[in-house]
Amino acid sequence: KAGVTQTPRYLIKTRGQQVTLSCSPISGHRSVSWYQQTPGQGLQFLFEYFSETQRNKGNFPGRFSGRQFSNSRSEMNVSTLELGDSALYLCASSFGNGVEEKLFFGSGTQLSVL
Amino acid sequence: GENVEQHPSTLSVQEGDSAVIKCTYSDSASNYFPWYKQELGKRPQLIIDIRSNVGEKKDQRIAVTLNKTAKHFSLHITETQPEDSAVYFCAAMRTGRRALTFGSGTRLQVQP
Repeated sequence: KAGVTQTPRYLIKTRGQQVTLSCSPISGHRSVSWYQQTPGQGLQFLFEYFSETQRNKGNFPGRFSGRQFSNSRSEMNVSTLELGDSALYLCASSFGNGVEEKLFFGSGTQLSVL
Repeated sequence: GENVEQHPSTLSVQEGDSAVIKCTYSDSASNYFPWYKQELGKRPQLIIDIRSNVGEKKDQRIAVTLNKTAKHFSLHITETQPEDSAVYFCAAMRTGRRALTFGSGTRLQVQP
């Protein structure tokens, strides 16, 4: 069974640009969540999607958005990039059935904002 | 919201010794507590988890204990090996919310 797949692996952008990151969950998983990892703030929850709807949201500005498609694949978008957005963005998937809660992470997209 | 505190931030042990990492959480409604291991440049890997209706769970050299009253849970690694060297994160979640709150991480170094 393939794991969680994230693309691209690395991205370099400049301030003011926007970026889209992609995540393909484990087959059968319907919940996809996104996390930001930085040395200073650690791992922080961004948002979670289930059945194409955002179900939960963390404390991030509206510049961070996402969506989920009918095949459970998800994309995350960051607009008007700031230097502080440089981070490893991790996607995690789970069944989302309220019974089996295990979340499995992808390898992440390392975003550098110059 | 939920807050998870993790200690220590760094831990150095000799190969074969035991290592203990401790976490406390603030939200009494949290009922699922996973632990992740992250090696340098790699994804966080789920190594063990526990639900609030269980006090202890063991998987080979790894065990987790939970004290709901004190809102405290711990990871125990016995007979440590150099390949156990990594950053370990505890986390807490309320069933159905599917949003993990992570501790700040513990860098474990196992000296051969």
